[in-house]
Amino acid sequence: QVQLVQSGAEVKKPGASVKVSCKASGYTFTSYYMHWVRQAPGQGLEWMGIINPSGGGTNYAQKFQGRVTMTRDTSTSTVYMELSSLRSEDTAVYYCARDAGNIDYWGQGTLVTVSS
Amino acid sequence: DIQMTQSPSSLSASVGDRVTITCRASQGISNYLAWFQQKPGKAPKSLIYAASSLQSGVPSKFSGSGSGTDFTLTISSLQPEDFATYYCQQYESYPLTFGGGTKVEIK
Repeated sequence: QVQLVQSGAEVKKPGASVKVSCKASGYTFTSYYMHWVRQAPGQGLEWMGIINPSGGGTNYAQKFQGRVTMTRDTSTSTVYMELSSLRSEDTAVYYCARDAGNIDYWGQGTLVTVSS
Repeated sequence: DIQMTQSPSSLSASVGDRVTITCRASQGISNYLAWFQQKPGKAPKSLIYAASSLQSGVPSKFSGSGSGTDFTLTISSLQPEDFATYYCQQYESYPLTFGGGTKVEIK
């Protein structure tokens, strides 16, 4: 069965960076793109970008251009999302989500708290 | 960017009610529309893709319709486990965008 297992919660200071991982299993890792979506407390869903695990190509939302980097490690079937220059507004749950032409499976989410 | 507008933002309904949520896109998106269900403290769950196709394992009480700019999600007979927030999302073009959500509460 498809599983996306994300890394644990993080607490970061403003200006720092965070790197969240998403380990995929139950399918061929390189055959499906992966999205990153975030949700601030009490708010809706916000798309951050997508990565092609096969070639590593990415497409980022303009809002995050220059601050976000999505990478992958095919040897461990893991995708990563790194967000830099963190500010309090980046406090959110970050989700990875598999793309099968549309989003079908979601990770459990990783809470990132930015606080001084 | 394509704006997605859901209505209502919240609704109260009783068990057994038929519930309809609407989603409007700011420009035509053909049928590149998905619906998700999210319960408090949980990840979203994918319900519907291509406007009307059920994801594997999703019960048939959920149905979707529409094309172009106007879409609906219908729950035929609301059950206690259906009380949640529902989001639409377009995937016709990047950036992917979501509606603001509809919270379905118990009356």
